[in-house]
Amino acid sequence: TQLLEQSPQFLSIQEGENLTVYCNSSSVFSSLQWYRQEPGEGPVLLVTVVTGGEVKKLKRLTFQFGDARKDSSLHITAAQPGDTGLYLCAGFNDYKLSFGAGTTVTVRA
Amino acid sequence: DSGVTQTPKHLITATGQRVTLRCSPRSGDLSVYWYQQSLDQGLQFLIQYYNGEERAKGNILERFSAQQFPDLHSELNLSSLELGDSALYFCASSVGGGHPTEQYFGPGTRLTVT
Repeated sequence: TQLLEQSPQFLSIQEGENLTVYCNSSSVFSSLQWYRQEPGEGPVLLVTVVTGGEVKKLKRLTFQFGDARKDSSLHITAAQPGDTGLYLCAGFNDYKLSFGAGTTVTVRA
Repeated sequence: DSGVTQTPKHLITATGQRVTLRCSPRSGDLSVYWYQQSLDQGLQFLIQYYNGEERAKGNILERFSAQQFPDLHSELNLSSLELGDSALYFCASSVGGGHPTEQYFGPGTRLTVT
């Protein structure tokens, strides 16, 4: 059983569309991170959110940390084929990073 | 390129055998983390070392052990291998040992147990 539940598991959209990935838990985390992983490579950190209610924007990506620090979302505006990959959320507690199962995003040209 | 190197890239071995995976962290990073990624379990934290000392332990089996050497490289030893140990093993490194910390992941070692 994953400590962090991600939804949807798979997402396939057309270039230019928007998408949102959700990350939920019954546990409170001191901070939460989002990673993107491409086939054959290790995950790459996209963002760290620390404060409940925090919203961070990185170009076309918007990350939100829930007020209770139990959930988070990743929103991509005008998705591009280069956004294709496995998106993982990960929560920090007690020096340990717990990962969700991931959302596989495919952006079709 | 994250700056973290892992060897070997691929490893095929038989059940009951023992293997050693090696990781060199980014220059200047004191922490090394080991993760296991499989289709059914996802990415699981195994263990963290900070400047040679064990800092945190996750879902690491007793058959597995790790250490970090004075030059800060780390090795993950897997013994009495079972079919279920087949997975991608990632090493990550960070400057500090606390949180939140930015971890840089290596390219991984794909272990296949036959």
